[in-house]
Parts: sequence; structure tokens; C-alpha cells
Amino acid sequence: AQSVAQPEDQVNVAEGNPLTVKCTYSVSGNPYLFWYVQYPNRGLQFLLKYITGDNLVKGSYGFEAEFNKSQTSFHLKKPSALVSDSALYFCAVRVRSTSGTYKYIFGTGTRLKVLA
Amino acid sequence: IAGITQAPTSQILAAGRRMTLRCTQDMRHNAMYWYRQDLGLGLRLIHYSNTAGTTGKGEVPDGYSVSRANTDDFPLTLASAVPSQTSVYFCASSASGGSTSTDTQYFGPGTRLTVL
Repeated sequence: AQSVAQPEDQVNVAEGNPLTVKCTYSVSGNPYLFWYVQYPNRGLQFLLKYITGDNLVKGSYGFEAEFNKSQTSFHLKKPSALVSDSALYFCAVRVRSTSGTYKYIFGTGTRLKVLA
Repeated sequence: IAGITQAPTSQILAAGRRMTLRCTQDMRHNAMYWYRQDLGLGLRLIHYSNTAGTTGKGEVPDGYSVSRANTDDFPLTLASAVPSQTSVYFCASSASGGSTSTDTQYFGPGTRLTVL
């Protein structure tokens, strides 16, 4: 079955330190990968996506993600965390369903807490 | 530009009642989606529509129905609500949903539904 895994329910990091939020996927074919962020009582906001090309993708708010095909991973990173980065982060992959249409599968989310 | 609006913001509903969650987008996106978000389960796709006049079932469609009479509106109806449908519901849209789509999904602010 095609799936997305976010192995950590929560990640704590000190302000100013680098952060990594992990995502691995299991899909057939070439994946299209996305990261979204959700602040309290808000909808999801797009951060970045990987379609093809350079494995390092840069997105909003200083975030970046590295696509690693051999490890089937798409970890989200930021060199220096801010308290305002504290939120719920979702990894998603676009897959082709058995009916031939395309849909997005989301991970279960990782709560990032940046400590002042 | 409003993007995607959802109504109501929150609702408490008695079991067995009928309820329609509204979703409207002003971006002229072809594809629209309904997700439910539950703790520990992330986002799960309920129904989707790749273009006006067509709809499809997602991962958890039972107990829900949708219609797509025009491009802008994509209401989600619970014909007879049950407590297990207590959740936060998000509507999303993307420019296209076809086989060549690499489009980002844009999310509404969500509707918090409690079924007693």
C-alpha cells in the first residue's frame, strides 16, 4: 500500500538550533512530495514541494527539504529555528489511485516545538 | 482575495441530524477536496472533485456525500450524523486534479463538528 510516514509525533528544538522533521514514503513511480504547516485553529499552509530536478528544495519561511530517492525520504529542515516555527507539520505525497485518478496522501503530522 | 471559505466555523449537532458543510473558493480552481482531521490519523480524504460536474470517493467516504454543481462550491453533506463523524473538516482546492497535475493544494480554515 502507498503510504507516508512521519515517525516522530513531536520534535523539540531550542531556538537558534537547526531543526529536522522527518518524512519517509512508500509509493510506486516517481513521487511528488509536499510539506504543509498548520498553526492552531487554522488550515494547512503550503511550504514547499518536490516534483523533479534538484534534490534540495527551498520553500517559505526559510524551510528547505531534501529528496533522497535511495532512502525514500523527504525530510524538512531549517538552519536556525524560531519560536514562531512552532506548529504542526504534515508531509504529503501525490499518488495514483487504482481508479487512475490522482490523490494526496498525508502523514499523521509532527508537532514542532521551538523552545526559547 | 478570500481564497477558500468554509462555513460554519464550528457546529454541535445531535446524532441523526442532517448537516451540510459549505465550501467556496474564488480562485477558479478545477479540483476540490474534503478531508477530515483526527488526532493521530492526520488528514484523510473523504471525497474529491477534479472538475465541476464530477466527484469521486476518497479514503473514508461512508456517511458523506458531495456535489459539484459549479466551479466555486463544493458542499459536504452528512445525511444522518453519527458521533464518529466528530472531527475537524477541511476543504481544499488545486488548480487542476488531472493526471498531469503537480499543483499545490490550498486549504480552508476548517469546520469543527461535534456530533453528540
